[in-house]
Amino acid sequence: EPEVTQTPSHQVTQMGQEVILHCVPISNHLYFYWYRQILGQKVEFLVSFYNNEISEKSEIFDDQFSVERPDGSNFTLKIRSTKLEDSAMYFCASSENDSGLAGVDTQYFGPGTRLTVL
Amino acid sequence: AQSVTQPDIHITVSEGASLELRCNYSYGATPYLFWYVQSPGQGLQLLLKYFSGDTLVQGIKGFEAEFKRSQSSFNLRKPSVHWSDAAEYFCAVGVYGGATNKLIFGTGTLLAVQP
Repeated sequence: EPEVTQTPSHQVTQMGQEVILHCVPISNHLYFYWYRQILGQKVEFLVSFYNNEISEKSEIFDDQFSVERPDGSNFTLKIRSTKLEDSAMYFCASSENDSGLAGVDTQYFGPGTRLTVL
Repeated sequence: AQSVTQPDIHITVSEGASLELRCNYSYGATPYLFWYVQSPGQGLQLLLKYFSGDTLVQGIKGFEAEFKRSQSSFNLRKPSVHWSDAAEYFCAVGVYGGATNKLIFGTGTLLAVQP
């Protein structure tokens, strides 16, 4: 069964450093997302991406964050200058419009990257 | 504003017992509802979803959920819990419209299963 993959599974970095989290979405999916889950808190939407541009971003997704689809298979999240409060599990998800209802889809999640900022 | 409430933070059941996890949503339009499960060290796995039609939906691993519009609820049930069901369960509402396409999650319910 196709699945979303993410690397690395755990990333440790120093405050102020740049990190790039990698995701390979399901191959025929067209919509891509990043979510994060701070320890003990709910999963929060960060950004959605379609047709090589951001569709929507949350207020969390400030200028320190960027996303890119550098080739036909990868989808990356870059944090330019990490802060302590960026420590969280970051989930990538992808979807196709599989419901038959306009714009409604099922999102499939990867296993996550645990980011620890020291 | 859209939101999802899972009133039970932690539930413990005995193996073989029935299970019901509660989920209430707040959403002005037609809700599209999901249950995901997260096992320790794992990602979010889709258990089931409700888009339209029959309000009782079946999912994987023997789970089912019932959409009740009058109660704004989408509770997850399983008639007989297995030890492998111990995990965290998340209810989510899909928010769609124009450029918007995202999930709003509840805070999760951690399920422990006693032998």
